[in-house]
Amino acid sequence: DVKVTQSSRYLVKRTGEKVFLECVQDMDHENMFWYRQDPGLGLRLIYFSYDVKMKEKGDIPEGYSVSREKKERFSLILESASTNQTSMYLCASWTSIRDEQFFGPGTRLTVL
Amino acid sequence: SQQGEEDPQALSIQEGENATMNCSYKTSINNLQWYRQNSGRGLVHLILIRSNEREKHSGRLRVTLDTSKKSSSLLITASRAADTASYFCATEIGSARQLTFGSGTQLTVLP
Repeated sequence: DVKVTQSSRYLVKRTGEKVFLECVQDMDHENMFWYRQDPGLGLRLIYFSYDVKMKEKGDIPEGYSVSREKKERFSLILESASTNQTSMYLCASWTSIRDEQFFGPGTRLTVL
Repeated sequence: SQQGEEDPQALSIQEGENATMNCSYKTSINNLQWYRQNSGRGLVHLILIRSNEREKHSGRLRVTLDTSKKSSSLLITASRAADTASYFCATEIGSARQLTFGSGTQLTVLP
């Protein structure tokens, strides 16, 4: 089975801190995604990547950046965390030979 | 922008009853997928229906797709307490290989 892991289940940071959220998948998937999930808004796509060192903006990229130096790892970076970035962050991976996305367990980030 | 909208936002039923959730979307799609999310966890893929399909079954799940109305429904038959979760529809458009998710239906199955 595909496994997608995220570095933390819960994270508390202060306003202005730089925050790294790590995601690792073990099935050699070429596509990886970062979403944030907020009540009543569903999942919104922040960034995605089709290949190593490649990134594309999603619907809400402002305030975020990403890094994909290795195929299995996709990092989401909050350069200067703000309280409106308090949310659940979900990572997913996808291969072109399957139609479904595989999700990690999520990181619940609180910015104080 | 949200492509899919689920209806109802919340649904509460007794164990053994059927649960029906609906999803509407705005633009033409390649496929529509349903995912389940248990409280505070990641999403799990349930079923996919392609744009040229009208109905699909998987165990106790039945999905229908009406492309003329741009809508889909997910039916869970003989529900169990373990089906309590949030259910999301997601649409894939064109060759983007991205999914656009709706806001979800929170299903509660009472024992």
